[in-house]
Amino acid sequence: DTGVSQDPRHKITKRGQNVTFRCDPISEHNRLYWYRQTLGQGPEFLTYFQNEAQLEKSRLLSDRFSAERPKGSFSTLEIQRTEQGDSAMYLCASSLEGTGRFYTFGSGTRLTVV
Amino acid sequence: DAKTTQPTSMDCAEGRAANLPCNHSTISGNEYVYWYRQIHSQGPQYIIHGLKNNETNEMASLIITEDRKSSTLILPHATLRDTAVYYCIVRVGGGADGLTFGKGTHLIIQP
Repeated sequence: DTGVSQDPRHKITKRGQNVTFRCDPISEHNRLYWYRQTLGQGPEFLTYFQNEAQLEKSRLLSDRFSAERPKGSFSTLEIQRTEQGDSAMYLCASSLEGTGRFYTFGSGTRLTVV
Repeated sequence: DAKTTQPTSMDCAEGRAANLPCNHSTISGNEYVYWYRQIHSQGPQYIIHGLKNNETNEMASLIITEDRKSSTLILPHATLRDTAVYYCIVRVGGGADGLTFGKGTHLIIQP
């Protein structure tokens, strides 16, 4: 396990459809984060998990967004009824509690809503 | 969160040292300075962090002023692969909440 894996790398969907992204963190990392990045901007924090518990959600995470980490390992981010404004790169990061803010990011999932 | 100010973009010649400044005049005593970079189409990558002493690792050096109100990331011998957006972030060292990224500095290494 050499890094954080995200699947798919690219997703094109029609407005109104639901999409789900998957993140596989580094196996020993107990913290997992989701970020969103739009063109020309830095990543914006969405939510994070410690083990299977979702401990914080940004106000950016509308009720159309839901994230899970059922067994404290991989995580999914679902967007329901997608809108064109949801088009962005969705990044996942993981870290090990006690190691400060040394996060390892995945390469992201690029979502395009048409 | 303490806020940071970085130039929007910078150029540097290949093989020269790239010096990226960051202002963080409202930094608190327990806040660290972190640097990440993001190469096109990839996720951000951790580079280095420090509290008040200068730090060096295999990627870069971090120079923090004595009053801690600003810092400089130094890439000693820039290569074309160092072309990326560099983010300076100030946060408490521990804790689990997410990082707050600004727009960063787009560093372009010229051949």
